[in-house]
Amino acid sequence: EPEVTQTPSHQVTQMGQEVILRCVPISNHLYFYWYRQILGQKVEFLVSFYNNEISEKSEIFDDQFSVERPDGSNFTLKIRSTKLEDSAMYFCASSDGRGQETQYFGPGTRLLVL
Amino acid sequence: AQSVTQPDIHITVSEGASLELRCNYSYGATPYLFWYVQSPGQGLQLLLKYFSGDTLVQGIKGFEAEFKRSQSSFNLRKPSVHWSDAAEYFCAANAGGTSYGKLTFGQGTILTVHP
Repeated sequence: EPEVTQTPSHQVTQMGQEVILRCVPISNHLYFYWYRQILGQKVEFLVSFYNNEISEKSEIFDDQFSVERPDGSNFTLKIRSTKLEDSAMYFCASSDGRGQETQYFGPGTRLLVL
Repeated sequence: AQSVTQPDIHITVSEGASLELRCNYSYGATPYLFWYVQSPGQGLQLLLKYFSGDTLVQGIKGFEAEFKRSQSSFNLRKPSVHWSDAAEYFCAANAGGTSYGKLTFGQGTILTVHP
């Protein structure tokens, strides 16, 4: 069964450093998402991406964040200058439609900012 | 504001017992509703979803959920829990319409299963 993959599984970085989290969505999917879960809190929506542009973003997704689909398979989330409060589990998801379509989630990247 | 609430943070049941996990939503119109399960080290796996029609929805692994509009609820049930069901369960909603798929999640319910 096709699945969403994410790399790395864990990343430790120093405050102020840039990080790039990588995702490979399911190959025929058209909609891509990033969510995050701070330890002990809800899973929160960050951004959705369709047709090579951001279609929706949350208040969390400020100028420090960016997303890109650099080629036909990868979908990345970049945090330009990490803060302590960016420490979280970051989930990538993809779907072949919006709304009622199922979003398939990757296993997540655990980001720790020191 | 749109929200999803799971009132129970942690539930413990004995293996073989029945299970009900609660979920309430607050949306202007009935959203699309989902239940996901997360086992340690795994991503979120869809158990079932509700869009319209029959209010009792069957999912994978023997789970079902019932949509009740009058109570704004979408509770997850299983008649007989197995030890492998121990995991964290998330209820989620999508507003549909012009939404580009943004899911709003509840806080999650951790299920512990005693032998």
